[in-house]
Amino acid sequence: IAGITQAPTSQILAAGRRMTLRCTQDMRHNAMYWYRQDLGLGLRLIHYSNTAGTTGKGEVPDGYSVSRANTDDFPLTLASAVPSQTSVYFCASSVDRSSYNEQFFGPGTRLTVL
Amino acid sequence: AQTVTQSQPEMSVQEAETVTLSCTYDTSESDYYLFWYKQPPSRQMILVIRQEAYKQQNATENRFSVNFQKAAKSFSLKISDSQLGDAAMYFCAYRTPPEGRDDKIIFGKGTRLHILP
Repeated sequence: IAGITQAPTSQILAAGRRMTLRCTQDMRHNAMYWYRQDLGLGLRLIHYSNTAGTTGKGEVPDGYSVSRANTDDFPLTLASAVPSQTSVYFCASSVDRSSYNEQFFGPGTRLTVL
Repeated sequence: AQTVTQSQPEMSVQEAETVTLSCTYDTSESDYYLFWYKQPPSRQMILVIRQEAYKQQNATENRFSVNFQKAAKSFSLKISDSQLGDAAMYFCAYRTPPEGRDDKIIFGKGTRLHILP
């Protein structure tokens, strides 16, 4: 593994189903982030984690939950998917929470909720 | 609330020419950071350049430079000698220092740049 990986690459999901998007980084970064990208809206921060064991809410956290049991993994869970959660989801990481640090992004997961 | 505005949804430039992408933002903070990210068709987001608000000198990275006007809250990206590989969606982003407050990372809606051969 080099950098950040996300799985699955894409997924079609029935409304009401539970879904977990996986994110793993091998750079030993402390901070990790989840964004959603929607056409015409750019990227919006869903949740973040400054270090293992801590999480925080971003701009659009409703309907999503995250956990950070260890440094490398930061899964995003949709407890009961709705069509408005159709989007491309990006995971990112940075060395730490410092604002100046570059964020490294994963390749994204395209999620379609029907 | 902070906002980031990219007023040009799409732009085109001839190969080898120079193009400037505009970005304006609104904030009451005095200390913050600004970024330009590039998203090529591969979808991978890549940092292009970054600027600390307390630095008056404009950041440069090879063919990429910014025109940072703090009073005007403007942060434009200039790409010189445009290359076909520069074709991508470009996002301007704003971030406040996280100390003692919620993390705020705000992205603009993006500008799609086309390079004409």
